[in-house]
Amino acid sequence: DAGITQSPRHKVTETGTPVTLRCHQTENHRYMYWYRQDPGHGLRLIHYSYGVKDTDKGEVSDGYSVSRSKTEDFLLTLESATSSQTSVYFCAISERQGSYNEQFFGPGTRLTVL
Amino acid sequence: GNSVTQMEGPVTLSEEAFLTINCTYTATGYPSLFWYVQYPGEGLQLLLKATKADDKGSNKGFEATYRKETTSFHLEKGSVQVSDSAVYFCALPMIKAAGNKLTFGGGTRVLVKP
Repeated sequence: DAGITQSPRHKVTETGTPVTLRCHQTENHRYMYWYRQDPGHGLRLIHYSYGVKDTDKGEVSDGYSVSRSKTEDFLLTLESATSSQTSVYFCAISERQGSYNEQFFGPGTRLTVL
Repeated sequence: GNSVTQMEGPVTLSEEAFLTINCTYTATGYPSLFWYVQYPGEGLQLLLKATKADDKGSNKGFEATYRKETTSFHLEKGSVQVSDSAVYFCALPMIKAAGNKLTFGGGTRVLVKP
């Protein structure tokens, strides 16, 4: 199994509070991704990174920011959490450029915003 | 852009039954195609892939053939087990696949009863 951990695994917070989720990899892969998973929507890409300090938006980036200060860590921040951000968040990594290269996923973080 | 449509679930069947999950895609060119599986409480993991037209991906008794004529990549297994109960996702690279970004179908939940 690819070495990907996410923390915390579960979090309950209140509307308006900031939240940071962490993804840590031990594979030294270049690309990292944050997805959210919601019933009826499958997985949707929030942000991704193609190197240290290099990030870009995905399809549902509003209300989220990311940072990658070192290869192994990719942080997802909700500046002011809203109930619509209640979801399961997955981090993924990928090694090389190329459409045949798969992504490897972390175990997920279940976030509840009250 | 590239997109994928898969049959909605849940699909409920008995052990040793035949399973088919339909997946059709819209894409520019002939991108790689993937099936991911998500077991309860876990992240996604790659089940199989096909990198070019007419390729057949296979793993754990599952198969899928990349059919460009029908733009399909249906997942099949001849005899399912209770342990195959999971959510299955069809995926392909986004049209601007820099960073190996993937787009996912909505997922199909499969429940296998003893």
